[in-house]
Amino acid sequence: GAVVSQHPSRVICKSGTSVKIECRSLDFQATTMFWYRQFPKQSLMLMATSNEGSKATYEQGVEKDKFLINHASLTLSTLTVTSAHPEDSSFYICSARRRSGELFFGEGSRLTVL
Amino acid sequence: AQTVTQSQPEMSVQEAETVTLSCTYDTSESDYYLFWYKQPPSRQMILVIRQEAYKQQNATENRFSVNFQKAAKSFSLKISDSQLGDAAMYFCAYSPPRGGTSYGKLTFGQGTILTVHP
Repeated sequence: GAVVSQHPSRVICKSGTSVKIECRSLDFQATTMFWYRQFPKQSLMLMATSNEGSKATYEQGVEKDKFLINHASLTLSTLTVTSAHPEDSSFYICSARRRSGELFFGEGSRLTVL
Repeated sequence: AQTVTQSQPEMSVQEAETVTLSCTYDTSESDYYLFWYKQPPSRQMILVIRQEAYKQQNATENRFSVNFQKAAKSFSLKISDSQLGDAAMYFCAYSPPRGGTSYGKLTFGQGTILTVHP
């Protein structure tokens, strides 16, 4: 079946550094990908919608300069957390929408900022 | 804006029994999709069931079924013959309709932690 892969699954970085998380659709083309953030024992909150070849659309309250999203191809979207701080520590999950409309979630990436 | 509310932070059920998880939502749209997702400790989101608002028939997937009440904006999940593997966090989610650019842009409820006792 269709698979969406996220990498890395876990990352630890120092405060002030930048971290890139990849979301890749392995066997289908994803015209649209979504990025969510989930704090421990809480719900998923949509951060942004990523469309191939165009700028991402960010949800209200999400800093676009801090969370850079690039969707350079039909199979890859990246989320870069710039100048990370401890409050950015969270679980980041992507989902990809197939042309047929089906949705598939990645395994998620746990970011810890020291 | 759409909102999704799950009023049960935690639920428990005995193995082989039936449990119902509640979900209410608010939207001004007439067409949309509703989902139930399961999130086990691995954090992988697993689709349990999906319902299109225009379909009056309640969706069913094996032991999982929904009670969709469009007028009441209610979308509950019934798990029959509960199994130990059903233990997880369950999220109710809303999506704009298919065919539009926003399909898949999910609004999630707060989640319900389901415990299954042997």
